[in-house]
Amino acid sequence: AQKVTQAQTEISVVEKEDVTLDCVYETRDTTYYLFWYKQPPSGELVFLIRRNSFDEQNEISGRYSWNFQKSTSSFNFTITASQVVDSAVYFCALCFTGGGNKLTFGTGTQLKVEL
Amino acid sequence: EAEVAQSPRYKITEKSQAVAFWCDPISGHATLYWYRQILGQGPELLVQFQDESVVDDSQLPKDRFSAERLKGVDSTLKIQPAELGDSAMYLCASSSREGYGYTFGSGTRLTVV
Repeated sequence: AQKVTQAQTEISVVEKEDVTLDCVYETRDTTYYLFWYKQPPSGELVFLIRRNSFDEQNEISGRYSWNFQKSTSSFNFTITASQVVDSAVYFCALCFTGGGNKLTFGTGTQLKVEL
Repeated sequence: EAEVAQSPRYKITEKSQAVAFWCDPISGHATLYWYRQILGQGPELLVQFQDESVVDDSQLPKDRFSAERLKGVDSTLKIQPAELGDSAMYLCASSSREGYGYTFGSGTRLTVV
């Protein structure tokens, strides 16, 4: 069975602080994909990144970076120099090849960035 | 940029009434999904279509929910009768290839009173 755990329910930071959102996953499959989505108050899910299980190279996109560690089944997301516009709920998700592209989501982390 | 269209954006209905949501995926996307997101939780798959065929509806409460995608393009999700516990965000998504990120619509926020 697939499972995604986001242990941090809510995080509050002051603008310009760095913040890391944790994601731990469980799967028996050797080939799978991991995702991060952002959900602002308006409700839509915004795709941020997709990573396949064979690519453990970390990725940086502007202020965003992702650390994939297969050995600990973690796919953590760091926002550098956070801004108020980063305030949202962030979801980590997992799907495995052969699973019909079905996404299994974590419960989300509410990030609040204050001035 | 191509979008997944959903309507209505918001819906308030009384319990025991019927309600329907519509989704138009990105053109050419063969796979369409309906997810339900209860407040404070992550989205959960209700039903998945490949073209016009249902490939996974194991989590769809079939006594009251139905979904169709007759021509393999747009889709309708119906609830009849609605219950208070159905209050949630209903998200539609589509994808073209396995493993690639879905594109989600803006969702329909349903409130049952």
